[in-house]
Amino acid sequence: ILNVEQSPQSLHVQEGDSTNFTCSFPSSNFYALHWYRWETAKSPEALFVMTLNGDEKKKGRISATLNTKEGYSYLYIKGSQPEDSATYLCAFSGTMEYGNKLVFGAGTILRVKS
Amino acid sequence: DSGVTQTPKHLITATGQRVTLRCSPRSGDLSVYWYQQSLDQGLQFLIQYYNGEERAKGNILERFSAQQFPDLHSELNLSSLELGDSALYFCASSVSPDFGELFFGEGSRLTVL
Repeated sequence: ILNVEQSPQSLHVQEGDSTNFTCSFPSSNFYALHWYRWETAKSPEALFVMTLNGDEKKKGRISATLNTKEGYSYLYIKGSQPEDSATYLCAFSGTMEYGNKLVFGAGTILRVKS
Repeated sequence: DSGVTQTPKHLITATGQRVTLRCSPRSGDLSVYWYQQSLDQGLQFLIQYYNGEERAKGNILERFSAQQFPDLHSELNLSSLELGDSALYFCASSVSPDFGELFFGEGSRLTVL
């Protein structure tokens, strides 16, 4: 059974706070780990696709790290802004027993108050 | 705008009926994926096609079927609809078959009454 878990389920922060979320996934047969941002009434948009252990990716104030050996990824947002309010999804794809599927976690809902 | 087009945007139908959801991928993308998002649930993977062939299958019910046509558009057919099939159905596309960055359509919201 392929479980992709995200924590926390939701987060309320003040504008300017830095925050981070966790995505946990199987530590075997890893292929790729994705992060998506999903704003209300819109469709998910890709932030990062990470494939190598130790990968670190950055886009503006958002960055992500990947540890495939222990099966986790962190997403960081520095200096949160109200426009960062969204649901952040991670998704795991694996080889072999996990087949060719991209399985999403339930997401972390971020609300940034101004 | 992701470049992925889904129709219809909204659909209301009755139990027992059959509907078809349509997806046109981004220009150049050969892979199409279908996901279902039900109330209080995350995105559930249904099925993937690559260049006309089924590539991966997720939790797709037997009452559901899909196909990808030679022009690469895809259709998801939902039959003998039940109340629990009410959901937002997303189509996504990517260039590669191995889950490169996915580009999502705006979704088709199905309501079964």
